[in-house]
Amino acid sequence: NAGVMQNPRHLVRRRGQEARLRCSPMKGHSHVYWYRQLPEEGLKFMVYLQKENIIDESGMPKERFSAEFPKEGPSILRIQQVVRGDSAAYFCASSQDSDLYEQYFGPGTRLTVT
Amino acid sequence: AQKITQTQPGMFVQEKEAVTLDCTYDTSDPSYGLFWYKQPSSGEMIFLIYQGSYDQQNATEGRYSLNFQKARKSANLVISASQLGDSAMYFCAMAGLRTYKYIFGTGTRLKVLA
Repeated sequence: NAGVMQNPRHLVRRRGQEARLRCSPMKGHSHVYWYRQLPEEGLKFMVYLQKENIIDESGMPKERFSAEFPKEGPSILRIQQVVRGDSAAYFCASSQDSDLYEQYFGPGTRLTVT
Repeated sequence: AQKITQTQPGMFVQEKEAVTLDCTYDTSDPSYGLFWYKQPSSGEMIFLIYQGSYDQQNATEGRYSLNFQKARKSANLVISASQLGDSAMYFCAMAGLRTYKYIFGTGTRLKVLA
């Protein structure tokens, strides 16, 4: 029973490029959450998605950031025109329908913007 | 608003001794969960222990126990018989029944000395 999978694990982008981070939830999980961890800080909530729906994007910057969780395939966090301040670890978590307390975290994607 | 406070940026402990990592929280949710995660230098988030707000007994998982004092709004992690492999960042987190977002503290960096 595979856990939450994220790829790539490490991503290097130059300023102005686009970054695409992928998250495959655990089997049977239809709720996905994205968190960002800036250097030397704790994780901060960005967005909560169910299949084909964004439930809460209150933690996501209004510009350049978008997220989706299509009916088929992984959830995608997309950052357009990356800047140095976007350098961080991005974690995805998933949960089952009825157990929102238990979120299972993926290994994270470390984004470095040069 | 929910808040998690970890007041110890760094801690040292001698191998084989016990150590307590502090965590206090604030929430208006009547029902909530408290979590501790370990983040080694490799970066992944490893779930350690969970305490529900209505649980009568303190949670234990192997060498980890959670000293839950509801009236004081504290959820301290106790690690018994510390091992060198326990050296890592430790994060306290909370989720309310009505707010699925995990709120993380700023973390405590634990160093176990040989």
